[in-house]
Amino acid sequence: AQTVTQSQPEMSVQEAETVTLSCTYDTSESDYYLFWYKQPPSRQMILVIRQEAYKQQNATENRFSVNFQKAAKSFSLKISDSQLGDAAMYFCAYSTGTASKLTFGTGTRLQVTL
Amino acid sequence: NAGVTQTPKFQVLKTGQSMTLQCAQDMNHEYMSWYRQDPGMGLRLIHYSVGAGITDQGEVPNGYNVSRSTTEDFPLRLLSAAPSQTSVYFCASSYSPSGANVLTFGAGSRLTVL
Repeated sequence: AQTVTQSQPEMSVQEAETVTLSCTYDTSESDYYLFWYKQPPSRQMILVIRQEAYKQQNATENRFSVNFQKAAKSFSLKISDSQLGDAAMYFCAYSTGTASKLTFGTGTRLQVTL
Repeated sequence: NAGVTQTPKFQVLKTGQSMTLQCAQDMNHEYMSWYRQDPGMGLRLIHYSVGAGITDQGEVPNGYNVSRSTTEDFPLRLLSAAPSQTSVYFCASSYSPSGANVLTFGAGSRLTVL
């Protein structure tokens, strides 16, 4: 079975600084997708970024980028120029290529300070 | 577009009571699913459906029933609620069951079982 591990229960970053959230996963599949979701206090699950395993290029979305290391099965999220609105719970998630069933990590709570 | 609509947003039940969490989407998505979110455990898949009339179990299906009589609706039934079912429940949908598709989540339903 696939597993997703987020080893940082909590992280803190100062406004305008950069922070990296870690995620590792375990799979024997070759076709899969990786995601970062943000969950603010409103509880809504919001997609931050998505990475296809077959793409070597790291995905980027404005201030958010990933470091995808396929051989190491690592998928970290970098948030640049952190803003107060980035404060949230962040979940790393995995799905195989053939099914939309997501396996989630346990989450990292990000605090942004002034 | 309303997206994915969940009702109710909050519910308190007594042990042994039954209830149905409603989920409706207006995006003509084939794939629908239910997750539960518990502190420190991320989101876990309860049941999912790849189309009308087709349902299957996820990681934690015990104590829950689902049906999919229409494309739009995917209700989750608790036949005899237990305190262990106290959780936040999320419904999510995507255009097709492919893992390449991004899930759209509802706003969540917080259920407390006393």
